[in-house]
Amino acid sequence: QQQVKQSPQSLIVQKGGISIINCAYENTAFDYFPWYQQFPGKGPALLIAIRPDVSEKKEGRFTISFNKSAKQFSLHIMDSQPGDSATYFCAASYGNQFYFGTGTSLTVIP
Amino acid sequence: DVKVTQSSRYLVKRTGEKVFLECVQDMDHENMFWYRQDPGLGLRLIYFSYDVKMKEKGDIPEGYSVSREKKERFSLILESASTNQTSMYLCASRTSGGGYTFGSGTRLTVV
Repeated sequence: QQQVKQSPQSLIVQKGGISIINCAYENTAFDYFPWYQQFPGKGPALLIAIRPDVSEKKEGRFTISFNKSAKQFSLHIMDSQPGDSATYFCAASYGNQFYFGTGTSLTVIP
Repeated sequence: DVKVTQSSRYLVKRTGEKVFLECVQDMDHENMFWYRQDPGLGLRLIYFSYDVKMKEKGDIPEGYSVSREKKERFSLILESASTNQTSMYLCASRTSGGGYTFGSGTRLTVV
């Protein structure tokens, strides 16, 4: 059973547009929700993370929106740039349990 | 910043060879992990370790073993490499309740 469901699998956005990637989870024990960014040939790197006591966290052009009641969280990339083209993974964890989504391949067209 | 270092970026091995993938982290993290990443399949957990000399099977342990003799080092072993083990291998470490730090990955090709 997939603990974290991520969509879409791939996304194409024009430069300057907003990229939105969604994730859903079932286990209400999760208390940490990070997003990872992975460029080709590299390992994933932590991009931004949120804990369930807040509904939104913003770092530069990247924002996590968190809806505890719906058990959903999403990554918004404002003013998307070609350099944002990468694979993005959401994840959810509590204690030693850690689950990744299946990833979203984002392409930003100049 | 925590650094996770994987000893090789690219490896080419022959079928049947014993292969060692090494990983070292420098921040005294208790937990270390080995994943493989294949197109369309995301990140799949092979093995993990919560402490020295301790190991737990992940989702796809068949054909692999691990060793953790020191806290900072976690090795993945392919006992007899096969072509279906051609993949990107990612090592990671974390503290309990925290996020992962990944290494840069080892692209293994088995011919």
